Amino acid sequence: EVQLVQSGAEVKKPGESLRISCKGSGYSFTSYWISWVRQMPGKGLEWMGRIDPSDSYTNYSPSFQGHVTISADKSISTAYLQWSSLKASDTAMYYCARHVTLVSDWFDPWGQGTLVTVSS
Amino acid sequence: SYVLTQPPSVSVAPGQTARITCGGNNIGSKSVHWYQQKPGQAPVLVVYDDSDRPSGIPERFSGSNSGNTATLTISRVEAGDEADYYCQVWDSSSDHPYVFGTGTKVTVL
Repeated sequence: EVQLVQSGAEVKKPGESLRISCKGSGYSFTSYWISWVRQMPGKGLEWMGRIDPSDSYTNYSPSFQGHVTISADKSISTAYLQWSSLKASDTAMYYCARHVTLVSDWFDPWGQGTLVTVSS
Repeated sequence: SYVLTQPPSVSVAPGQTARITCGGNNIGSKSVHWYQQKPGQAPVLVVYDDSDRPSGIPERFSGSNSGNTATLTISRVEAGDEADYYCQVWDSSSDHPYVFGTGTKVTVL
């Protein structure tokens, strides 16, 4: 079974750093891109950026460029999303998702989500 | 960047048909994918490439795409179909290539 398992919920203070993870299993991790998607409370889905785990090449949405860093360790089939200085506005659910790319490009499956709460 | 517009809500009685639209400029020239998100859960792919279903998704879920509107149709609606639904396209020429629709809440009456 193809599966993405994310790290657990986090509660942080503004200014703190954080790295959350997404471990893939049941498929060749280096053969599929991984994206991160944000969902703020009560809101819709926003694409943040993606990584090619085979060489760690990344693309970011202009909305998130410079605010987060996406990385991967192919030796342990894990992708990461990290912040160097969190803000209250980073409070959200974060999902990783595997790309399926044929003529077009869609997401399947998704991780279960990691809730990040930033509060003083 | 490319914009996808969905109605905020759709209400439907059990056994009836729900139609969820996704509007975008010349969306018919793109492939559209649909996700179902139940409360407290991660999104799940229900239709890809306009009208194909992943394994395990009931035939009650179907899609179409033409002109400026794509549509997800749920036939013989069940209580378990109550969820948020999002459309998505890949705009390969954009610096923001993965665009989601605004989302539609389907309520089963």
